[in-house]
Amino acid sequence: AQSVTQLDSQVPVFEEAPVELRCNYSSSVSVYLFWYVQYPNQGLQLLLKYLSGSTLVKGINGFEAEFNKSQTSFHLRKPSVHISDTAEYFCAVSPSGGGADGLTFGKGTHLIIQP
Amino acid sequence: EAQVTQNPRYLITVTGKKLTVTCSQNMNHEYMSWYRQDPGLGLRQIYYSMNVEVTDKGDVPEGYKVSRKEKRNFPLILESPSPNQTSLYFCASSLSGRALNTEAFFGQGTRLTVV
Repeated sequence: AQSVTQLDSQVPVFEEAPVELRCNYSSSVSVYLFWYVQYPNQGLQLLLKYLSGSTLVKGINGFEAEFNKSQTSFHLRKPSVHISDTAEYFCAVSPSGGGADGLTFGKGTHLIIQP
Repeated sequence: EAQVTQNPRYLITVTGKKLTVTCSQNMNHEYMSWYRQDPGLGLRQIYYSMNVEVTDKGDVPEGYKVSRKEKRNFPLILESPSPNQTSLYFCASSLSGRALNTEAFFGQGTRLTVV
């Protein structure tokens, strides 16, 4: 089984400042890692994913994340945020070896952009 | 346009009155699942389906039923809703449930209130 911990439930940031949303995971098997974004009153949309290869993954809207196997982390970063980035962000994992477990989500981090 | 469609978007019902939330995808995906989203708890999987006529329990299946008679549809049934099932529900689909390295597509969500 897998678990995901998002260390911050809320992150307030000023517009144009950098941001990092933290995610740590626990798993007895290899995993794939994902970040999803949920804009107000909408469903979840994939931001980026790590499957294998380069540990630095780039996604949509200028976001990137770095997989650190030794620290079991997959932190999400953006160098300069915009008001439109205000949303709920979810880190998720799934077992890379197959199986029907689906996605295990963290509890989410609410990113609040202040003008 | 590739999409997952849930209906209704909003529903208020009374305790004990059976209801069904429909979910349909137009991407010929094998894997479909239902999640509920609650504040501070993130998304938790209710049921999933690996393919037609194949369904299984997720993390929080109590009080719910599902069926998968056709590939595109995966309705969520609450036979006797209770107030603790008040939540935001999401249907999701992906190409395959095995080695979930494919993107999961989410519906817009159904906000259910049980009074």
